[in-house]
Amino acid sequence: DSGVTQTPKHLITATGQRVTLRCSPRSGDLSVYWYQQSLDQGLQFLIQYYNGEERAKGNILERFSAQQFPDLHSELNLSSLELGDSALYFCASSVTASNEQFFGPGTRLTVL
Amino acid sequence: AQRVTQPEKLLSVFKGAPVELKCNYSYSGSPELFWYVQYSRQRLQLLLRHISRESIKGFTADLNKGETSFHLKKPFAQEEDSAMYYCALRMDSSYKLIFGSGTRLLVRP
Repeated sequence: DSGVTQTPKHLITATGQRVTLRCSPRSGDLSVYWYQQSLDQGLQFLIQYYNGEERAKGNILERFSAQQFPDLHSELNLSSLELGDSALYFCASSVTASNEQFFGPGTRLTVL
Repeated sequence: AQRVTQPEKLLSVFKGAPVELKCNYSYSGSPELFWYVQYSRQRLQLLLRHISRESIKGFTADLNKGETSFHLKKPFAQEEDSAMYYCALRMDSSYKLIFGSGTRLLVRP
């Protein structure tokens, strides 16, 4: 698949735990974005990386962190999980920050 | 604060009927507006962006700065248009997308 890939597809965990979501951008894309989609908040921007550097931050909690590695894949780390963190987490990538964003299939996180 | 409003959660029309999905935004600068679509079991994908001024799958959208709107229109809806539609705003000083809450379009046979 030459598009954006995300692993895992589904993740079920307990409150207080820590998880890592992974995103591989499209080949050649330097910019990666993370979004959270929940029933009550809709689709919200979390954070953006460009070529390994953080470029923009949105409504990202302090319990959450992310990074983009030299091979351009990105990881979103969620810690001290709460029930309200249950959501779909999307990753998107673009060639540069101003180009069209291509979305991955998402990771569905369920916190019990 | 910058905001995108899609007032309809659900829009149900019959096949062949005209469709208009409403989108209003609040931003005082030069916005870039997009429509994204998510078909069942598929990923979010770009449908339209206002700067390209093109028609995709029969859909068009015109940016009206006076009314701060970017409504999505199609003259004759098809069953395969049934999907979730999201309007999104990108501010001129940023690269993040601000999404509306989405409208589910259901086209009945």
